[in-house]
Amino acid sequence: GENVEQHPSTLSVQEGDSAVIKCTYSDSASNYFPWYKQELGKRPQLIIDIRSNVGEKKDQRIAVTLNKTAKHFSLHITETQPEDSAVYFCAASVNSGGYQKVTFGTGTKLQVIP
Amino acid sequence: SQTIHQWPATLVQPVGSPLSLECTVEGTSNPNLYWYRQAAGRGLQLLFYSVGIGQISSEVPQNLSASRPQDRQFILSSKKLLLSDSGFYLCAWSGGTGRYEQYFGPGTRLTVT
Repeated sequence: GENVEQHPSTLSVQEGDSAVIKCTYSDSASNYFPWYKQELGKRPQLIIDIRSNVGEKKDQRIAVTLNKTAKHFSLHITETQPEDSAVYFCAASVNSGGYQKVTFGTGTKLQVIP
Repeated sequence: SQTIHQWPATLVQPVGSPLSLECTVEGTSNPNLYWYRQAAGRGLQLLFYSVGIGQISSEVPQNLSASRPQDRQFILSSKKLLLSDSGFYLCAWSGGTGRYEQYFGPGTRLTVT
């Protein structure tokens, strides 16, 4: 089955700096890569996603890049703010019998220091 | 717009007691539905998914079961809880074929004592 590895497990940055979280996946059939942000005690929220036919996608301060050949994708947050502090999960998704089977990474705890 | 509900929000149950968690989705029809579990400080583990009424697939063998009695209702059950069943249970939905995005409900925090 799919295996998603995520690094680093924890990340501390100064407010205003950039943060980068990297993930790798194993199943070359994966075609959809979402990123979720989870604040303490709350539900994961979809913040950005990318499909396998696209190499890069940007939404304001957040961008995701995908390298299908190398099977890795990354989340980039620029001009970080204290409210960006949360746990971020990457995921890889593959079509499996009529639904998208999503495998999540183990999460990155991001701390933005004011 | 679509809304997903879960209840109860928190639950404390003794070992060996039964469990029933409910999830409902509004504003969409024929969604794919999912149950995930998140242990404290850990990632998300897919437990069950459903592509239609009465259609349930299990990802992890365990003492939990799921049912989908109505199009937009998904229920997670257990006859006898174990200590290891403690965790944050999240229901999610997606829009079906071609609609990849999954959206999570608010979750149920279960503590088995």
